[in-house]
Amino acid sequence: SAVISQKPSRDICQRGTSLTIQCQVDSQVTMMFWYRQQPGQSLTLIATANQGSEATYESGFVIDKFPISRPNLTFSTLTVSNMSPEDSSIYLCSVGSGALTDTQYFGPGTRLTVL
Amino acid sequence: GENVEQHPSTLSVQEGDSAVIKCTYSDSASNYFPWYKQELGKRPQLIIDIRSNVGEKKDQRIAVTLNKTAKHFSLHITETQPEDSAVYFCAATALSGGYNKLIFGAGTRLAVHP
Repeated sequence: SAVISQKPSRDICQRGTSLTIQCQVDSQVTMMFWYRQQPGQSLTLIATANQGSEATYESGFVIDKFPISRPNLTFSTLTVSNMSPEDSSIYLCSVGSGALTDTQYFGPGTRLTVL
Repeated sequence: GENVEQHPSTLSVQEGDSAVIKCTYSDSASNYFPWYKQELGKRPQLIIDIRSNVGEKKDQRIAVTLNKTAKHFSLHITETQPEDSAVYFCAATALSGGYNKLIFGAGTRLAVHP
């Protein structure tokens, strides 16, 4: 499976600021996904990022709050904008793999705390 | 919308016993069902998966069964060991805009006691 890294691994931010999370893969992938995992909870899909097209957002998530970039087949960023304490969570990227690209492998996650 | 229900939310077993986690999905078009293990502070790790054209798949102490008619699938862990202690998530695919996304269950916290 692909080697996936995320930066930063953790951060503590002030409310009202923005944080950009990077996801890097060691091979070209078509499908990249961004998830949020609140403490003790399951994984919630924020959006799907395909190279060369606009990200597709899930219900409850909007581009103004979570802008996503996908400049090439190995890299994506997620920005958490105008943060509030409710945004404190773990943010994970994943990549779709396999012939059908539905097998997903996860990055190590970014633990965000908003004060 | 698509939904995946997972039970139980917590499971406590003695080392050497078997553990079974069950999931039910709502979308009859779902065709891929992975299981992830997440240890504390770590990323979710794919441990086994099954496609809709297969009824059962086994990998050493882990097996997954699928009942398409009833729309449920289960994870079976035999001869449990303390290192099996983790949170387990099931997932099912949902077609969206020409590609498959994953819908996750709420998770099962498994504790294996020595």
